[in-house]
Amino acid sequence: DIVMTQSPDSLAVSLGERATINCRSSQSVLYRPDNKNYLAWYQQRPGQPPKLLIYWASTRESGVPDRFRGSGSGTDFTLIISSLQAEDVAVYYCQQYHTTSWTFGQGTRVEIK
Amino acid sequence: EVQLVESGGALVQPGGSLRLSCEASGFTFSSYSMHWVRQAPGKGLEWVSYTSSSASSKLYADPVKGRFTISRDNAKNSLFLEMKSLRDGDTAMYYCARDRRSSSGWSVSYDAFDMWGQGTMVTVSS
Repeated sequence: DIVMTQSPDSLAVSLGERATINCRSSQSVLYRPDNKNYLAWYQQRPGQPPKLLIYWASTRESGVPDRFRGSGSGTDFTLIISSLQAEDVAVYYCQQYHTTSWTFGQGTRVEIK
Repeated sequence: EVQLVESGGALVQPGGSLRLSCEASGFTFSSYSMHWVRQAPGKGLEWVSYTSSSASSKLYADPVKGRFTISRDNAKNSLFLEMKSLRDGDTAMYYCARDRRSSSGWSVSYDAFDMWGQGTMVTVSS
């Protein structure tokens, strides 16, 4: 199975400041035939189910604010929240869907400093 | 309204069985592959099982293989997870989730999960 590792496990950011979350996969999630990275990001607010933010590593889901930006390719990916808002307090997960194990990272908790 | 609603979670003794249900509404359920994902208390997300839209392909995570069975009834817009020989480690919130794109159902689809239910809690304890 592909192992997804996120860093850091948690971070505290001031309102309006940037939050950066990293995700590394144990093998490439880039599928050469379509040149797409099979990598998604989810947000899980306290007491809520996960919500899809980003797919294909960098495509925002409909309705997701543009302060959320995904980037990266192959095995290294980043989620940036450009200007943290109070409603962004949550745990963020990366997930690979390149193989039939659909593995998630361990999660990164984002809090307000 | 487009939604998924899980039910069937309960407190069950080790070795027991349980059947979870997920009722879909607001979209053409029969056109989408579906998943079960679980989350132990205070822990991260763990994919559990997959079924293609036609139920021709079914997959399971290693920890549940041979004990859990996924099924669906497209006429009733419902997804199920039959759980047997339950263990302490199966204690979790169980979510059903939908693939982002519709698919033909004849092969495994590889996609992100764009819709999730609120979850149903399964507690395995004596």
